[in-house]
Amino acid sequence: EVQLVESGGGLVQPGGSLRLSCVASGFTFSSYSINWVRQAPGKGLEWVSYISSIDNTYYADSVKGRFTISRDNAKNSLYLQMNSLRAEDTAVYYCARCCVAGHGFDYWGQGILVTVSS
Amino acid sequence: EIVLTQSPGTLSLSPGERATLSCRASQSVSSSYVAWYQHKLGQAPRLLIYGSSNRATGIPDRFSGSGSGTDFTLSIGRLEPEDFAVYYCQQYGSSLWTFGQGTKVEIK
Repeated sequence: EVQLVESGGGLVQPGGSLRLSCVASGFTFSSYSINWVRQAPGKGLEWVSYISSIDNTYYADSVKGRFTISRDNAKNSLYLQMNSLRAEDTAVYYCARCCVAGHGFDYWGQGILVTVSS
Repeated sequence: EIVLTQSPGTLSLSPGERATLSCRASQSVSSSYVAWYQHKLGQAPRLLIYGSSNRATGIPDRFSGSGSGTDFTLSIGRLEPEDFAVYYCQQYGSSLWTFGQGTKVEIK
């Protein structure tokens, strides 16, 4: 069974940093591209970042220069290093497997809440 | 950046009725890269349709997708109680993905 489990969320002050993790199981993690997607309170889904199986990375303009996506295939893990956090980064963050079904995201984690507030 | 606009914002229907959801892109997108998701509160989003018309694994055949260019549609043949949720369209292009703002399908 494919599973993605996020961790590392919590409350952080504006300007602070946080690192999210996503541990994968049930598939060959190293062969797949993975994304981060977020949903702010009361808002819709927003794509955040992508990393391919060969470490190509893309970012949404809203996080470019502040967030860094990375992966450790030996640990079946995906990371999102979030720096210079703002109130508008408050959201539930999901990791999602990509690109087997067209460029759709076929498996998602349950999400982890990040709150940026003083 | 391509903007996706979904309509209506909310659809009020009864179980057994047919739902038709629209997604319009600000410029032409490849139909190969249009997907639809179902999202319920407190749950992970679920991929329904990819490549504008292909059902994902395990998705019932009452869900269907169509469209090309700038106009895409998700249809739900006969609404079941578990279908009441928020639905998002998504497109990929130029190394980024965008989502529509969502359509809420609620019980009338």
